[in-house]
Amino acid sequence: DTGVSQDPRHKITKRGQNVTFRCDPISEHNRLYWYRQTLGQGPEFLTYFQNEAQLEKSRLLSDRFSAERPKGSFSTLEIQRTEQGDSAMYLCASSLAGGGQPFYGYTFGSGTRLTVV
Amino acid sequence: AQTVTQSQPEMSVQEAETVTLSCTYDTSESNYYLFWYKQPPSRQMILVIRQEAYKQQNATENRFSVNFQKAAKSFSLKISDSQLGDTAMYFCAFMKHWKGGSEKLVFGKGTKLTVNP
Repeated sequence: DTGVSQDPRHKITKRGQNVTFRCDPISEHNRLYWYRQTLGQGPEFLTYFQNEAQLEKSRLLSDRFSAERPKGSFSTLEIQRTEQGDSAMYLCASSLAGGGQPFYGYTFGSGTRLTVV
Repeated sequence: AQTVTQSQPEMSVQEAETVTLSCTYDTSESNYYLFWYKQPPSRQMILVIRQEAYKQQNATENRFSVNFQKAAKSFSLKISDSQLGDTAMYFCAFMKHWKGGSEKLVFGKGTKLTVNP
């Protein structure tokens, strides 16, 4: 297992276009998270999945954002009608949760840097 | 809502010396985790150290140790024998612990650490 993979690494798009990012978590991890990080800030939570169920969405996730995790494996994050304010690093992370076991932290991917021009 | 504050936007240290990064947090929860993550210029977040709030003993991982003061809601990171590879952004993060497993992380804004030769 090579860790959490994100694709693409970089994306430049024109304002108003739609973009889709993909995240492949560690295979045995049942939870998958999306975070957004703008320059000079810490990551901010967007949404997470346990298996295929989307359990929580942040208020940051406007109607233009949608995330899916079909079959509880990889996940996609789509942004419709992109705006300049969407420019950020989008981070994906995964973890193994449940069973009352101690939590040892997420594994993050390298992120997708989105630039909206 | 939980908040995490890192009051030092930037710090620098000479190679082989010791540096301490500060973090305070605000929560009404009694059971939670605290983390320090490192984000090198390549941008992938790496877990440095974790602390379970119910444990009195401060966590240590090789050259990294924490000073966890639960009553004061303080969680500082000490890096001993600093190395050039420690140059990175360091994020303090909070996570509520619940029986179902992992939850979302709340991050501070980060401290940019530079280790000088």
